[in-house]
Formats: sequence, structure tokens, C-alpha cells
Amino acid sequence: DIQMTQSPSSLSASVGDRVTITCQASQDIRKYLNWYQQKPGKAPKLLIYDASNLETGVPSRFSGSGSGTDFTFTINSLQPEDIATYYCQQYDNLPYTFGQGTKLEIK
Amino acid sequence: EVQLVQSGAEVKKPGESLKISCKGSGYSFTSYWIGWVRQMPGKGLECMGIIYPGDSDTIYSPSFQGQVTISADKSTSTAYLQWSSLKASDTAMYYCARGVSRGICDYWGQGTLITVSS
Repeated sequence: DIQMTQSPSSLSASVGDRVTITCQASQDIRKYLNWYQQKPGKAPKLLIYDASNLETGVPSRFSGSGSGTDFTFTINSLQPEDIATYYCQQYDNLPYTFGQGTKLEIK
Repeated sequence: EVQLVQSGAEVKKPGESLKISCKGSGYSFTSYWIGWVRQMPGKGLECMGIIYPGDSDTIYSPSFQGQVTISADKSTSTAYLQWSSLKASDTAMYYCARGVSRGICDYWGQGTLITVSS
């Protein structure tokens, strides 16, 4: 299985900050990387697909980049409603695997 | 509007069987993959397997092969996840999700909480 390593596991930031989360794959996954947001008690929500494509309806302060094994997810100007856990997921090879998650809190 | 509506929470005893459902609407059910995802209490997301309702092609993640059965009924636009003998370690939230390009989960069900306890 492809291992997905996210960092950090948790982070605390202030409203208006720029927040960056990284995801590293254990082997080349080309562009096949998605990012999801999960709020407490809710189902995950797709934010970014194919590493850098913003899902319809998702605010433009969210962005993604990268290819191969190293990927970055960024929130520009953190908002209070962005408090959630964020997961990367590869779908280049079955079984599709998720990172362990990054829990984002407001400072 | 695309919707995936899952069956309600269940409390079962070890050794019991269970089948939970995920009903799709608002799109062509047979044209998209449906995946099942497990989330154990306080933990992350795990892909269990995927099914293409159009031809019932099913792929299991190795960790779940032989532990669960994934199926779909085209006539009712419903996907299923079933266990023949539950264990306490099956206690978790289970989500279904629609798969675009197989691996992009763009719509999710609300989740079904399964509690297995003696």
C-alpha cells in the first residue's frame, strides 16, 4: 500500500493567517492526490482534486500544489469556519489511502 | 441534487450479521463508483472498497478483503456493506461516497454509526 504522511498532525493558527499542510507519498502518485475537510460530527468534504483543482463551490482561499511524492495544501487568510481536520488521499494505486489527518485549531 | 442517504445507526452484538445501505439519487447511479470508508472512533479515514454499480465490478482493500461484502442493486440505486459476523473492532462510523474517476469522492453520505458490544 502507498503510505501518505501528512504534517503537521495538528496546528494552531490565528484568523487571517496563511496555513500550509504537506503530504508526502511513499512512491510516485503523479497528480492523483485529493484534499478533504472534515468538521466534527460531519462527513468529509472534497476541497481539492488532482492535486491543484478546486472543487466547485469551494472558496478560493483553499489551494493545492505538487506532483510525484510531495504535495502542499494552503489556506490563505484562515477563517473561523475552517476549523476542521484535513486529509490528503491518493488514488493512483489501489487501495486508495489517506493521510493520518491534520487537526486545525484557532489560536 | 446529488444525494447519498445512508441507513440509520445500529447497535449489535459480537457474532451478529449486519447489512447497511447507501441510496443514491440525483444522478445516474450506474455511471459512478461507490466507495465505503471506515472511521474508527477518534481516528482517520480508511478506504474499504469500491463498487461500480453498472457491472458490479468490486475491488476490496486488502485489509478488508474477506471481512466485509460490498454489493449494489441497480434497480433501487442502493449500495450495501455487509458483515456476516461482527466483532467489537468493527465499531466505527461508515461512510459511502460517490467516486468520480473512481478515486475522487465528490459526494458523501451522512455516515452510519455501528456499535458492536456485548
